[in-house]
Amino acid sequence: GAVVSQHPSWVICKSGTSVKIECRSLDFQATTMFWYRQFPKQSLMLMATSNEGSKATYEQGVEKDKFLINHASLTLSTLTVTSAHPEDSSFYICSAREDLNAYNEQFFGPGTRLTVL
Amino acid sequence: AQTVTQSQPEMSVQEAETVTLSCTYDTSENNYYLFWYKQPPSRQMILVIRQEAYKQQNATENRFSVNFQKAAKSFSLKISDSQLGDTAMYFCAFMKLSGTASKLTFGTGTRLQVTL
Repeated sequence: GAVVSQHPSWVICKSGTSVKIECRSLDFQATTMFWYRQFPKQSLMLMATSNEGSKATYEQGVEKDKFLINHASLTLSTLTVTSAHPEDSSFYICSAREDLNAYNEQFFGPGTRLTVL
Repeated sequence: AQTVTQSQPEMSVQEAETVTLSCTYDTSENNYYLFWYKQPPSRQMILVIRQEAYKQQNATENRFSVNFQKAAKSFSLKISDSQLGDTAMYFCAFMKLSGTASKLTFGTGTRLQVTL
C-alpha cells in the first residue's frame, strides 16, 4: 500500500506555544487529507478534511482558529495547534487519499503524540 | 448521520483459536462501504478488510472474514487461527460514497488480546 509519513512522531511543548505537524504522502498524490485526534483507549475522531488548494472543512465542535490546517500541495498537509494547552495533549493522526475513482483507499500516517506541559 | 457501534470493549482469544468481533451500524444510505481496521500497539492504522454494501458475498482476506448482514446492519469480523500478532485494537468503520466528500466514521473499538 501507499505510504503516509508524519513528522514529528512526538513533540513536547510549553503551554501557550504553537506546534506544527506535517503529513506527507510519499508515493501518491493526496487529493484529500484528513486529520484525526485520538485520546487514550478511544476511537479516532475526525477533526477536519482538506482538499489541496482549498480551505479545510472542520467537523462540528473543532475550533478552526486553534487547529490550523493547510493543504498547499498534493503531497503535504500541515496541522498547527496554536496556543497549545494541556487539554490539547493527544495523539494526532493524518490520513490521505487520492481521489481517482468512486472508491479510493485512505492511507494512515503513524501518528504524532503531542504533550503540552 | 451514521453511527457505528462496537459492543465488545475487550475480547480475549487463545492462539490458534477463532474469535468474532461484532459491529452494527445505522444508516439510511444504500451505497456505502464497511471496513475493519487494526491498530496495534504501534498505533499505525492498518486496513484489515473491506466490504462493499452492494456485494452480497462476504469479503475474505486470508484468516480474516466478515459476516455482512445488510438488512440487520451488522458487520462482524471473524479471525481464524489467531496469532499473537493479531493483538490490537480493532475498529469497525463506515463510509458513505460521496466522491471527494467521502469520510470514515469509526466505532469505539474492541481491544483484542491473543494469549498463549
